[in-house]
Order: sequence, then structure tokens, then C-alpha cells
Amino acid sequence: ETGVTQTPRHLVMGMTNKKSLKCEQHLGHNAMYWYKQSAKKPLELMFVYNFKEQTENNSVPSRFSPECPNSSHLFLHLHTLQPEDSALYLCASSQDAVRWGPQTIFGSGTQLSVL
Amino acid sequence: GENVEQHPSTLSVQEGDSAVIKCTYSDSASNYFPWYKQELGKRPQLIIDIRSNVGEKKDQRIAVTLNKTAKHFSLHITETQPEDSAVYFCAASPPGQNFVFGPGTRLSVLP
Repeated sequence: ETGVTQTPRHLVMGMTNKKSLKCEQHLGHNAMYWYKQSAKKPLELMFVYNFKEQTENNSVPSRFSPECPNSSHLFLHLHTLQPEDSALYLCASSQDAVRWGPQTIFGSGTQLSVL
Repeated sequence: GENVEQHPSTLSVQEGDSAVIKCTYSDSASNYFPWYKQELGKRPQLIIDIRSNVGEKKDQRIAVTLNKTAKHFSLHITETQPEDSAVYFCAASPPGQNFVFGPGTRLSVLP
């Protein structure tokens, strides 16, 4: 483990379901990220939180809703997803999102399948 | 915004040979360039990085070179081994902004 833990590792859901992905880090980092990794667009940045404030939303559809209750936890709430949303969702953290040259640590990801 | 291209998309080399992966970036203000390795079913892991004030950096069998004028940087792996087989991602980071990743290169080291 590198210090960034994601649960669940695998998730299968129907298009009408509501589920949440969880990410946790105890590295003392202040920035946390959600990435989507698929065959079509590898490592696509979705959301950035810096000191619990959302600083970036890369035109992500509203069916994805992030939540960052504190600097150690990050959630991605999912509802009414589409089959094309099936992908590996990676969480990452770094010291902060604005300092020059941050080292980003990735979690193992949640493999999501939408049926 | 920043745009990162990466070539080749797939690369096969014989064990013991060298492998080179090249990336180009568009934003001349980018000043941090990490490389990540992602083995099958595992998370991306940082293997080496370089900052814009340095032209080359080495770590054992891995090296990265940066040409700021041409806006490209390359990953060099010497004496490749089967465990080097993975997908490699380059990234570029303008000051105060997040990484923009390249599309990845799938490296296969053949025994």
C-alpha cells in the first residue's frame, strides 16, 4: 500500500443505482484528485480538491458528484450512470495542488462496470 | 491549455535492449515532467521526474532527458527486463496547475 486506499476495488451497478466510491489517505496531503482511466482517454482528470475546496471540475457530468469532508477523505457519488462510464476510477493525493512539482500518489482504483 | 502527446503507443523490445519513449508538450510554461509506470491491474507509480531547470536525470537503468526549446522530453530504459513491461505515462505540469498526462505507451519486453 502506498498510503492512498480506495474502496471498493470492484463495483458493478445498474444505470438506476446510486453508489459511492471512497478514497482515504493519511499521508498528510492536502490535495486529492479523481481520475478516470479508460481505453479511450487514459488518466483523465475529473476533480481536484485543495484544502477541502474544489478547485477544478473538468466538465464532468452531474451524474458524478464529489465530496471532500476533510483533507483525508474523498468520495465520488454516482447516480444514473451510463454504460460508457465504465472505467477504472483512480484517486490520488499530493502535498497540495498549487505548489510547483507536486508528487502525486495514486490509489489502486475502483474498477466500475455499468450495466 | 497544455496538451501532451506520447509516442509510440506500443513498443516491443528484446530483453537487454534499450527502450525510448518520447513526449511532446505544448505549453512552454510547463516546468515539471513526471513519468509514471502502471503494471497490469496496478496503480500508476512515479518512477522518475525532471524539472525544467535540469536537462537530464538518471536513476539506475532509467533516465529522462528534457529539451525545453523543442518542448519534448524522453524516457530511456537501458538493459530492459521482463518486469519493465507495463504502460508508461508521461505528464507535464504548468506552474500552479495540475498534470496533463500523455495517452500512454505499452512496453513489452520479450524474453
